[in-house]
Amino acid sequence: NAGVTQTPKFQVLKTGQSMTLQCAQDMNHNSMYWYRQDPGMGLRLIYYSASEGTTDKGEVPNGYNVSRLNKREFSLRLESAAPSQTSVYFCASSPVRASTDTQYFGPGTRLTVL
Amino acid sequence: GQQLNQSPQSMFIQEGEDVSMNCTSSSIFNTWLWYKQDPGEGPVLLIALYKAGELTSNGRLTAQFGITRKDSFLNISASIPSDVGIYFCAGPLSGGGADGLTFGKGTHLIIQP
Repeated sequence: NAGVTQTPKFQVLKTGQSMTLQCAQDMNHNSMYWYRQDPGMGLRLIYYSASEGTTDKGEVPNGYNVSRLNKREFSLRLESAAPSQTSVYFCASSPVRASTDTQYFGPGTRLTVL
Repeated sequence: GQQLNQSPQSMFIQEGEDVSMNCTSSSIFNTWLWYKQDPGEGPVLLIALYKAGELTSNGRLTAQFGITRKDSFLNISASIPSDVGIYFCAGPLSGGGADGLTFGKGTHLIIQP
């Protein structure tokens, strides 16, 4: 049982480049989330998806787009990367809602934007 | 927006000691969650609290949902080396119907040999 998987584990981009972070879960969960974690900070929600075909903004959505490709997969896209987007990105999933169900996190993608 | 303030920011303790940390909020929460993050990993849920005054244990960990609903506490008894990590409190993001969590900045637990 893999749980939540993320690719890639590490990535270095130049300012202005684009990339997509991939996330997949095999627990048949309805809800999926993208968070970022900066040094000395807690996690901040970027976007979430309550079900296939729906997405909603979180606390810090600017500069990002997401796609809920199917029930298993939720991708995060940076169209034009900026140094301020250097961070560790975590994908998570919950059976229904993060506040009432256990939220399971992936291992993270460490992104550096030069 | 909501703010969760965790204290202390870091703790240096010796193996076998008890640990206490807390989290306060600028607004009322209906759910309090405690997560632990090991180096290079994603957070893992330790304890979930759903009712004011609730006291819940998970092995050597005990957490309480404050009566005011604006605070929560986590205690670890008889610490062991594998307790090292960052402990986060979290609660639901506000905004009718919105999902996802808001996190504190974490308490970094370091155990000295």
